[in-house]
This record gives sequence, C-alpha cells and structure tokens, in this order.
Amino acid sequence: LHVEESGPGRVKPSETVSLTCTVSGGSIVKDTYYWGWIRQTPGKGLEWIAIIHHSGTTFYNPSLKSRVSISIDTSKNQFSLTLNSVTVADTAVYSCGGTGGGYFDPWGQGTLVTVSS
Amino acid sequence: DIQLTQSPSSLSASVGDRVTITCRASHDISNNLAWYQQKPGKAPSLLIYSASTSQSGVPSRFSGGGSGTDFTLTISSLQPEDVATYFCQKYNSVPLTFGQGTKVEL
Repeated sequence: LHVEESGPGRVKPSETVSLTCTVSGGSIVKDTYYWGWIRQTPGKGLEWIAIIHHSGTTFYNPSLKSRVSISIDTSKNQFSLTLNSVTVADTAVYSCGGTGGGYFDPWGQGTLVTVSS
Repeated sequence: DIQLTQSPSSLSASVGDRVTITCRASHDISNNLAWYQQKPGKAPSLLIYSASTSQSGVPSRFSGGGSGTDFTLTISSLQPEDVATYFCQKYNSVPLTFGQGTKVEL
C-alpha cells in the first residue's frame, strides 16, 4: 500500500489550500482503515489534523476543526483536505497516511505548503 | 488533551551502544503507543505499535516497552543506519498526538 500527496506548494495568507492524497497498491475501501492527514513543522513538530473512513465518518483535531474539512472519493481512490483562512503559521509539510489501529502505516513523503504573500 | 514528552531531545552514541528513548504520557494510555523512525527528507516509518509489537521487517535490535504512562524505545546495538529522529504517538483516543522527537546521532 502506498500513498502520495499533491498540493499547490504556495498559497497566500487568508486563502484556502487543498491537498489530495492518492492511494495505490490497494483499495481505499477498507473497513478497518481510516485515512488521514498530519503536518510537520520545525517549531511545533508533528500535528495530527484529521482522519476519515470510507463510510464518511470523520474525526478532527479540535485545534483545527473550525478551518479544516476532509473528504474521500472512493471512485478515484483518493482523499482530500481543505484548510481555509491560512496564515504563515500553517506553513508545514503535510503528509497523508492510512491507519488501521490509530498508528499510521503507510505514511506519505509529504508535500510542503508555504503560506506567503 | 494528553501530552507526550520524549527524552532526551537528542543524543549522541557510538556504534554498538545500547540506546534508550523515553516517552511519558500525561495520562494513562494503556498500551496505545507507537514509535516511528524518520530519516532526513523521508517519511516517518512505523517501528513499534501497541507499545511493544514490532512492525514487520523492523530489525530485531529495536524493541519497545512500557504501559500506562511510561514507555521506552530501545536500540540494543546502534548501527550507522539508525541515525534518525524517533517519535512516539498515542492513539487511545482523539486527538492523536505525537512526542516532540528524539534525534539520534553518532
């Protein structure tokens, strides 16, 4: 099972960033699996953002819940994240992954999102 | 939220040394703890889950222990390829949280 992120690279403050994770080597429709996003910054370390099940069940980090939405497209074997009203503090490497028991495996290489005017 | 505190934040050891990293949870998380290895420029890789169960393919020199609030990751004989940053993660409930990482150098 392999996951790979894609995103815009750079966005401006107050804009919305959309990221997509493509799952390969297996189906995203796995009853025991959730799919999620984590971000990493040198200052704050690793921060879990959200997870989603193919049924549509979602869980969000309360610290980001008001600005984040996670969705899944089983026909494309993809899931996505949108983060709105971004600020410089949202500059990070955003990674996607699968979790069958709460821990992430696989985990993608990550895509850098830079928030800058 | 349950906080995870790793120690030390960095360490330097020699090839063949036994290395132990500690992860302390602010509340009881039973055995719902995982350890990851992250090499520079790479994605984190799962080493251990359920506090002490090794992921398939992980060298036997890596082992995990503990339960409740205190956990350890031990490298029994440090190898050059083990230079990396190691993270713990708790998953007993959301929000999922991570330790701040321990950088292991030679």
